[in-house]
Amino acid sequence: GQNIDQPTEMTATEGAIVQINCTYQTSGFNGLFWYQQHAGEAPTFLSYNVLDGLEEKGRFSSFLSRSKGYSYLLLKELQMKDSASYLCAVRDSNYQLIWGAGTKLIIKP
Amino acid sequence: GAGVSQSPRYKVAKRGQDVALRCDPISGHVSLFWYQQALGQGPEFLTYFQNEAQLDKSGLPSDRFFAERPEGSVSTLKIQRTQQEDSAVYLCASSLFPPAPRHEEQYFGPGTRLTVT
Repeated sequence: GQNIDQPTEMTATEGAIVQINCTYQTSGFNGLFWYQQHAGEAPTFLSYNVLDGLEEKGRFSSFLSRSKGYSYLLLKELQMKDSASYLCAVRDSNYQLIWGAGTKLIIKP
Repeated sequence: GAGVSQSPRYKVAKRGQDVALRCDPISGHVSLFWYQQALGQGPEFLTYFQNEAQLDKSGLPSDRFFAERPEGSVSTLKIQRTQQEDSAVYLCASSLFPPAPRHEEQYFGPGTRLTVT
């Protein structure tokens, strides 16, 4: 079966750094996405990785290791508005997105 | 507004009623996806359209679920004889091109929250 695992909830302090991990087992791999979803709102795109390594975009970075079936999303200089759920999704061999359950990130002052 | 829109935003249905959920994708987007998202979970794929063709409906949970996109733009997800387990947020997403091994992000609508009582 296909499986994507990420922690259910994490807590961090404003101004700090947090790393959200994602491990996956899917039938095929055609890229990994990270989306942000505020409560009651639509998911919005954060990052895309298809090759191994680190992709940096402002305060957010995403890392991929295909051999380990592993990715992480790194958020720096945390702000209160970063409180949201972070969803990891893998595009499988059918080019459809398989989603994790999301990691709820709580930012404390 | 150039984003994906969905209506209604909230729908309460009595068990056994039929419901129709509408999605207006971004103009010109070829691909349209429907997802079901239960509380505290990630989206679950339901079905995929490329223009007016429904290329994948493997995620539809039962034959009570039906989706169409007759002119390759607006799509409707219909649920017949609703059951309590159908209660969820139904998300629609569109992308410019068909899925492929490249950066092709999906743009999501705000969703329709369906509650079946």
